[in-house]
Amino acid sequence: GAVVSQHPSWVICKSGTSVKIECRSLDFQATTMFWYRQFPKQSLMLMATSNEGSKATYEQGVEKDKFLINHASLTLSTLTVTSAHPEDSSFYICSARRSGNEQFFGPGTRLTVL
Amino acid sequence: AQSVTQLDSHVSVSEGTPVLLRCNYSSSYSPSLFWYVQHPNKGLQLLLKYTSAATLVKGINGFEAEFKKSETSFHLTKPSAHMSDAAEYFCGGGYQKVTFGTGTKLQVIP
Repeated sequence: GAVVSQHPSWVICKSGTSVKIECRSLDFQATTMFWYRQFPKQSLMLMATSNEGSKATYEQGVEKDKFLINHASLTLSTLTVTSAHPEDSSFYICSARRSGNEQFFGPGTRLTVL
Repeated sequence: AQSVTQLDSHVSVSEGTPVLLRCNYSSSYSPSLFWYVQHPNKGLQLLLKYTSAATLVKGINGFEAEFKKSETSFHLTKPSAHMSDAAEYFCGGGYQKVTFGTGTKLQVIP
């Protein structure tokens, strides 16, 4: 099956700093990648859809200036949490869509903001 | 728009007994439905997906799900639970983007 990686797998940062999370499709090209966040004991919430070479489409209620998404190539999308605060602490998961509409999920990145 | 509802937040079964995790969908058109499993601190793994080819869908690890249009359901089943099945299960639906239900935590009692 297709493999999607995320880096880092976990990160702890101070309030006010920015954190970048990478999502890579390792053995396929993904024209579309998705970013989700998951609060403890809750479901995944879609944050944004990232298309290679174009601006990301954000879901309602997600601040695009807070969560910067860059999809620079067919195998890499990055999510930058700017000026992070404790309420941004969460589990961030990306997925990449290959042809055929199936999405492959990364292992997730746990962000803790102190 | 398509949405899914998972009826149980927590299900507990004994090892070796059947598993039933419930999911209902609402869609104005023929849905695309999925079941994913998430083990602690891990990403999601696709168990199976329905894409209108067959109403009974077989997935990995002995799981299967049946699409019932009359009941707008897509329940996940397994004949015999294994300890390794203990995890969080998410029902999802959608074409261009997947939206998820609130999840069902499966506990398997030895």
